[in-house]
Amino acid sequence: SAVISQKPSRDICQRGTSLTIQCQVDSQVTMMFWYRQQPGQSLTLIATANQGSEATYESGFVIDKFPISRPNLTFSTLTVSNMSPEDSSIYLCSVRDRAQETQYFGPGTRLLVL
Amino acid sequence: KQEVTQIPAALSVPEGENLVLNCSFTDSAIYNLQWFRQDPGKGLTSLLLIQSSQREQTSGRLNASLDKSSGRSTLYIAASQPGDSATYLCAVLTSGTYKYIFGTGTRLKVLA
Repeated sequence: SAVISQKPSRDICQRGTSLTIQCQVDSQVTMMFWYRQQPGQSLTLIATANQGSEATYESGFVIDKFPISRPNLTFSTLTVSNMSPEDSSIYLCSVRDRAQETQYFGPGTRLLVL
Repeated sequence: KQEVTQIPAALSVPEGENLVLNCSFTDSAIYNLQWFRQDPGKGLTSLLLIQSSQREQTSGRLNASLDKSSGRSTLYIAASQPGDSATYLCAVLTSGTYKYIFGTGTRLKVLA
């Protein structure tokens, strides 16, 4: 199994500012993902973080709004840029074990934008 | 496009009851299906993973079944306890995109 930590665990931000969320995994993983969970909703995949290359974004999500870095196989960051109240969500980092295809999740970052 | 639906959306039961949570998906071309538990304000914990070639998986009081051809999975919880109160999510790993698509979740409350 993989143990994932995220920083910060929660934050309250002002409209128009940006927040960078960090994700650290205790082992090297090939596949790392960022999800968003809006209040009362299920999880929506934002992007797949690729090590050494640009992230692959899902429909409706763009790099300018959600820039992602993945400098190595154990770490990634997601930035939520130019925030608005609609960005208030839980943001979850996730990794997949390639052998068993089990997906593991971090504890999430709870973001409130005022 | 794969769509995953869970019924019921919410469930409240007295302690000790056996219960069944349902998950349905529209595209049977999947690698596997995974059931997760999410506690309020927390991340997701993997409960059971069923490969597409399997019919069921068991872990303690939990049993998950998969009928790929009909696009259905059930999560059976035996002798429910207040500590089982959480939101339960199913997710399918689709063959085409190799990405997990999540269901809408069932919010379970077990009353003492």
